[in-house]
This record gives sequence, C-alpha cells and structure tokens, in this order.
Amino acid sequence: NAGVMQNPRHLVRRRGQEARLRCSPMKGHSHVYWYRQLPEEGLKFMVYLQKENIIDESGMPKERFSAEFPKEGPSILRIQQVVRGDSAAYFCASSQLAGTDEQFFGPGTRLTVL
Amino acid sequence: DQQVKQNSPSLSVQEGRISILNCDYTNSMFDYFLWYKKYPAEGPTFLISISSIKDKNEDGRFTVFLNKSAKHLSLHIVPSQPGDSAVYFCAETFNDYKLSFGAGTTVTVRA
Repeated sequence: NAGVMQNPRHLVRRRGQEARLRCSPMKGHSHVYWYRQLPEEGLKFMVYLQKENIIDESGMPKERFSAEFPKEGPSILRIQQVVRGDSAAYFCASSQLAGTDEQFFGPGTRLTVL
Repeated sequence: DQQVKQNSPSLSVQEGRISILNCDYTNSMFDYFLWYKKYPAEGPTFLISISSIKDKNEDGRFTVFLNKSAKHLSLHIVPSQPGDSAVYFCAETFNDYKLSFGAGTTVTVRA
C-alpha cells in the first residue's frame, strides 16, 4: 500500500533550464495538492488539482510555473526557465475527498538551481 | 506575509518530560488547526487537529490547546519519547484544503 510518491527526490538544474516534478497520489486518491517550502519557511500552498482539472492555483507564481493532473499518470509540476530563487523543497499531497479530508504528503523533491 | 508563526525554531527536552510547542496566527478566519510532524527526508505526517469551536483536543500523549482570544495554539507532548524528535509544523485552514504552515519547530528529546 504505497503512499504518495514523488520523483525525483533531488533535482539539480542550471538557470534557464526546465524542471519537471512528478507526483503519484495514493491509490484511490483523486485530489492532489502542491506545496513549496523555501529555506527557513513553512510549506506554502501552490495549487490544488483534481483529475484533468485545476481547482485552485492561487498560490502559483503567475509566470514559468504550471501544473497538471492528467487522466492517466502522475501529476506534474513544471517550472520553466528556472532561477536560483526556485531552489526549494516541493511537496505533493493527496486526499481521497476534498474538504477536511486528511492530506497525505509525499517525501518531497528538493530542487537546486545552480 | 506569514499568517502562522512558530517563534521557537528549536526545543530540547529530556525524555519523559513535557514538550510544549507554540504557534500564533493572525487570520481570524481560520476554522481548523492542525499539527504535522516531519522526519528528515520524509513528508509531513498529520498528528492532531482541532476545530475552532473547541479549545482542547486530546489524543494519547498529544494534546492541542486553542486560545482564540489570544490567537494562540499549543501542542503538548507528554511524556516525551526519543521517537518524538522531529520537526513540528502547525497549520491552519479556512477553506478546507489550503493549508497554511508555520516555519516549524525542531524538537530534540534527550535520553
């Protein structure tokens, strides 16, 4: 009974490259959330998706960042033309239901931009 | 603007004693409060929660207290055990899914 899986666990990119972070929710979960943790800060909400739909992207930077959760396959957080300020830990969470249903977190992807 | 603040970045406590973690918030709209625990190289795991209509919730060794007038939340762990050594985050939400986390408090339980 696998939990939320994220890959890669560590990702190194040079400025200007693209970063793709993947998240496979727990079995039976159709709600996915992405959070970002900058150094010395708490996790910050980025986006909430259901299958094929973006429900709330109010925490996503307006440029360079996008997220999807296709009908088949994992959820993808994509960062284009990365900058050093994008260096952070990116956590994905999933839940079976929306609302107050518990969110289960993955181990995170640590992105380092050189 | 950080709406949730954990002012103590670290806490060291002797095994068997009480650990008290504190959290302050600014947004009165929050209606649900949670504590998460995080080990290195792992994601946060849910620990305990409390609704804003309550002032206390207890689950085994963990008790959360909510003081709405002071906009203050605390987590008590008693007795503390070595396995409790981790980073603890308080989190709040007012729309049921968008969690707002504090910066975390690293707890070290000494044998």
